[in-house]
Amino acid sequence: DVQLAQSGAEVKKPGESLRISCKGSGYNFNSYWIGWVRQVPGKGLDWMGLIYAGDSQTRYNPSFQGQVTISVDKSTSTAFLQWSSLKASDSAIYYCARHKYSSGWSPDYWGQGTPVIVSS
Amino acid sequence: DIVMTQTPLSSPVALGQPASISCRSSQSLVHSDGNTYLSWLHQRPGQPPRLLIYKISSRFSGVPDRFSGSGAGTDFTLKISRVEGEDVGVYYCMQATHFPYTFGQGTSLEIK
Repeated sequence: DVQLAQSGAEVKKPGESLRISCKGSGYNFNSYWIGWVRQVPGKGLDWMGLIYAGDSQTRYNPSFQGQVTISVDKSTSTAFLQWSSLKASDSAIYYCARHKYSSGWSPDYWGQGTPVIVSS
Repeated sequence: DIVMTQTPLSSPVALGQPASISCRSSQSLVHSDGNTYLSWLHQRPGQPPRLLIYKISSRFSGVPDRFSGSGAGTDFTLKISRVEGEDVGVYYCMQATHFPYTFGQGTSLEIK
């Protein structure tokens, strides 16, 4: 079965750094794109960007470019989303999702989400 | 960015009755490769979204056939032929034709 297992909830202070993870299993991780989606509780979905696991090619939403970094470690089939300096407005649930051409580039499998709380 | 506008924002429907959600994009979603990358997702409370429909009308694996998608260009529709209790939640359209990908604001389906 295709699974995306995300790291656990995080509570951080403004200005701190953070890296959350998304480990793929049950499929050839290196042959697919992994995307990240933000959801502020009670609000809608914001697409942040995606990375091709095979060669780390990355496409960012300009709204998030420079605010976050998306990366991948092929050896562990894990994608990452990281911040160098968190703000309170980064508080949200972050989902990873697999994208593939044959599903119309749609996010076909999703992780369970990683809640991030940024508060002083 | 492409703006995706869904209507209605809230839809109370009786069990067994049909439901319909519309999604309109600010630009055509026809890709240069001829495909239209419009999908529909469903999110139940406390759960991640799940894919229902991709490329306008293709049902994803395991999705019941009471869900159907249609449309072209800038206007798209998701229909549920007979609403069941498990269908409650928020439905989102999403376009993956143009970067950045964008979602509609969501339509909340509730049981009347």
